[in-house]
Amino acid sequence: NAGVTQTPKFQVLKTGQSMTLQCAQDMNHEYMSWYRQDPGMGLRLIHYSVGAGITDQGEVPNGYNVSRSTTEDFPLRLLSAAPSQTSVYFCASSSGTSRHEQFFGPGTRLTVL
Amino acid sequence: AQKITQTQPGMFVQEKEAVTLDCTYDTSDPSYGLFWYKQPSSGEMIFLIYQGSYDQQNATEGRYSLNFQKARKSANLVISASQLGDSAMYFCAMREWDSGYSTLTFGKGTMLLVSP
Repeated sequence: NAGVTQTPKFQVLKTGQSMTLQCAQDMNHEYMSWYRQDPGMGLRLIHYSVGAGITDQGEVPNGYNVSRSTTEDFPLRLLSAAPSQTSVYFCASSSGTSRHEQFFGPGTRLTVL
Repeated sequence: AQKITQTQPGMFVQEKEAVTLDCTYDTSDPSYGLFWYKQPSSGEMIFLIYQGSYDQQNATEGRYSLNFQKARKSANLVISASQLGDSAMYFCAMREWDSGYSTLTFGKGTMLLVSP
């Protein structure tokens, strides 16, 4: 049981490039989310999904795109990277229980030059 | 207005002493949940403790306890008998229901340093 996995661990992009951050979970969780963590800001929600085919925006969705074609996978796409998107990105998943404890992936450190 | 407020950017404590990390929250949702996560220097997010808004008793998990004062909207984390390995960033978070879906909002965190 791998839990939540994220790839890559580190990535450097040039302004304007696009890329996809991968996230997968093997716990059959309904909910999946993407957060970004910036110094002094805590974690902020980018997008989330409550099941395959259903996604919604979080607090900071601009510049990011998501889709959820399977229960297991929830990729995050950067359409045209900007230096303001330099951050650490966390993917998380949770079940539909009342507690909704989120299980986090190890994170992806992204630098946009 | 911030939904989760952690007023202590940094805290220092000596090994074996107890420490309280403050968290206040703001919500009009009668059903909510409060979480504390630990983030060591290695970067992973580690779940510590959970308190539901309808729970009658304060949550406890080993050396961690949550001092839940609903009327004051506070959910402070108490770590008893601090250890060097407790040095980390600590985040308070709140789960609310928005249009039937659950979202999690985090505070900005408190950095805890435990000294020998």
